[in-house]
Amino acid sequence: DGGITQSPKYLFRKEGQNVTLSCEQNLNHDAMYWYRQDPGQGLRLIYYSQIVNDFQKGDIAEGYSVSREKKESFPLTVTSAQKNPTAFYLCASRYVQDGNYGYTFGSGTRLTVV
Amino acid sequence: SQQGEEDPQALSIQEGENATMNCSYKTSINNLQWYRQNSGRGLVHLILIRSNEREKHSGRLRVTLDTSKKSSSLLITASRAADTASYFCATDARGANAGKSTFGDGTTLTVKP
Repeated sequence: DGGITQSPKYLFRKEGQNVTLSCEQNLNHDAMYWYRQDPGQGLRLIYYSQIVNDFQKGDIAEGYSVSREKKESFPLTVTSAQKNPTAFYLCASRYVQDGNYGYTFGSGTRLTVV
Repeated sequence: SQQGEEDPQALSIQEGENATMNCSYKTSINNLQWYRQNSGRGLVHLILIRSNEREKHSGRLRVTLDTSKKSSSLLITASRAADTASYFCATDARGANAGKSTFGDGTTLTVKP
């Protein structure tokens, strides 16, 4: 089955550590996205990539970094510069159907700072 | 500011009733999408309405779009307890912001059995 796989499902980080969240898709979608979701709130865009070896900052990119070396993979690193990283992180890829875009989401990674 | 904003923030109804939630946005769009999120899970695409469409149906879902008012509504008819979830609208913008969708804060729907 095609889809987006995020791992791990739960992640604990100590203060000052960098951690990397994995996002893999086998949907052959060009564009991929990382969103952050805080409790009771909507999604805020961290980074997105519309093509391999290229990515753009979203609305809250500070303290995060990404890479897009392969079409299938778009890992997100939460660096120690991110002061409040505890949140639910969602990865998505974008498809085109009949000239319109839609998004397929992974099941998320819940990151907690301990 | 957020492109898509839903209201109400929370909605509680009895099973069998209809649920209506609204979304407002600020800039020109190519399309508007509605998603559902069960607690602690990813979002699932429900329905997409194009900017040149006014109404669209999918099963018990009915979506309307009024581009003059920059607003959309999602109606769930004959609700079930399994419809309990958060619902988000997302807009696919034109121009400089093309390529990134903006999501609102969502409406949390509770359907009581």
